[in-house]
Amino acid sequence: KNEVEQSPQNLTAQEGEFITINCSYSVGISALHWLQQHPGGGIVSLFMLSSGKKKHGRLIATINIQEKHSSLHITASHPRDSAVYICAVSQNAGGTSYGKLTFGQGTILTVHP
Amino acid sequence: NAGVMQNPRHLVRRRGQEARLRCSPMKGHSHVYWYRQLPEEGLKFMVYLQKENIIDESGMPKERFSAEFPKEGPSILRIQQVVRGDSAAYFCASSPHQRGETQYFGPGTRLLVL
Repeated sequence: KNEVEQSPQNLTAQEGEFITINCSYSVGISALHWLQQHPGGGIVSLFMLSSGKKKHGRLIATINIQEKHSSLHITASHPRDSAVYICAVSQNAGGTSYGKLTFGQGTILTVHP
Repeated sequence: NAGVMQNPRHLVRRRGQEARLRCSPMKGHSHVYWYRQLPEEGLKFMVYLQKENIIDESGMPKERFSAEFPKEGPSILRIQQVVRGDSAAYFCASSPHQRGETQYFGPGTRLLVL
């Protein structure tokens, strides 16, 4: 079982729909990251969070530390949101924070006009 | 403030040749991470470096791969005697000071081994 699991693997939506991507992890973490990758392109960091909720434009990220679960929401989705969304964690073991990221497999999002 | 820079963006090598991938972190960043994304697979950690030090190389293959981050100049990921299985996208990321901070990714180097 992977330490970071995302669902769904593929997601298709119509423009304007509300989208949710889920991430569960099984290790202790110091932070959880949401990343965006366009086909053939680079990787952009969307959020880093260790508790609660963060919002940036139409994107919202939440995390529940007790349940080891995070969600990424996109409101009023648009075709330009089509990309791969990747959940990653910075692990924390025995009080030591490790910088390296452990990644989920990614969620391929396609938004149709 | 320029972002993380990687070069070359695309690199083609024949089996047995050497590949050198360069990463210039953002200005003021002293922590560099290298990640690899194999075709149809997720990203995997390779190595974490600070200036002149390898902090964690637990994700590096034991043979043919090496990394450095000298006092001056970019970080280098070196792959000797490349094989077809090394074909992948190699991403570098940097962060300012402490572990666990936001990492800023470069555009990646796409390595193709013929």
